[in-house]
Amino acid sequence: DTAVSQTPKYLVTQMGNDKSIKCEQNLGHDTMYWYKQDSKKFLKIMFSYNNKELIINETVPNRFSPKSPDKAHLNLHINSLELGDSAVYFCASSPSGGAYEQYFGPGTRLTVT
Amino acid sequence: GNSVTQMEGPVTLSEEAFLTINCTYTATGYPSLFWYVQYPGEGLQLLLKATKADDKGSNKGFEATYRKETTSFHLEKGSVQVSDSAVYFCALSDRGGADGLTFGKGTHLIIQP
Repeated sequence: DTAVSQTPKYLVTQMGNDKSIKCEQNLGHDTMYWYKQDSKKFLKIMFSYNNKELIINETVPNRFSPKSPDKAHLNLHINSLELGDSAVYFCASSPSGGAYEQYFGPGTRLTVT
Repeated sequence: GNSVTQMEGPVTLSEEAFLTINCTYTATGYPSLFWYVQYPGEGLQLLLKATKADDKGSNKGFEATYRKETTSFHLEKGSVQVSDSAVYFCALSDRGGADGLTFGKGTHLIIQP
């Protein structure tokens, strides 16, 4: 009964390709997030999304786009992959409101060659 | 904008030693504060949280107190174990959580037997 799941766990691909990472949560939360963790373990928010609002971190290239087919899913699409996109990507969810903790998925390690 | 500063490691301690990991923050509003822990190869788990000034969060022997006057949220544990070896992240949530979590750079803790 995984609360937040991501697929795939590992993704190896070549520069220029387009790829997607899927995220699902079964907690009934209405806000979902994507974070990027670089090689130095630094975590940075990429997107937050609920059924009312998508907030995009201004530093995220427009090659990255979140897509939410329903409240329990927030997938991450990446076009024209670059070497610098190599990182671990984490999905998270929470109830609306900053006082609530976020629940994180296990991460997807993306390697671009 | 918001920011979190925490001591960078690695921090190496002997088993049963006292642990302090410093964390200070800058925020425009009244944030909620969190400590997350990441074990090797895993996602992030909430360790503890505090949502208003003078609150103390505690879990598994770890404690942290929300100090508004010093904008700090230092993590402490009286007697660490080898199993506490992990990366610890201080984080804040502001604006109702809409902007996601702002993380510190993480502190790698190594406990030697």
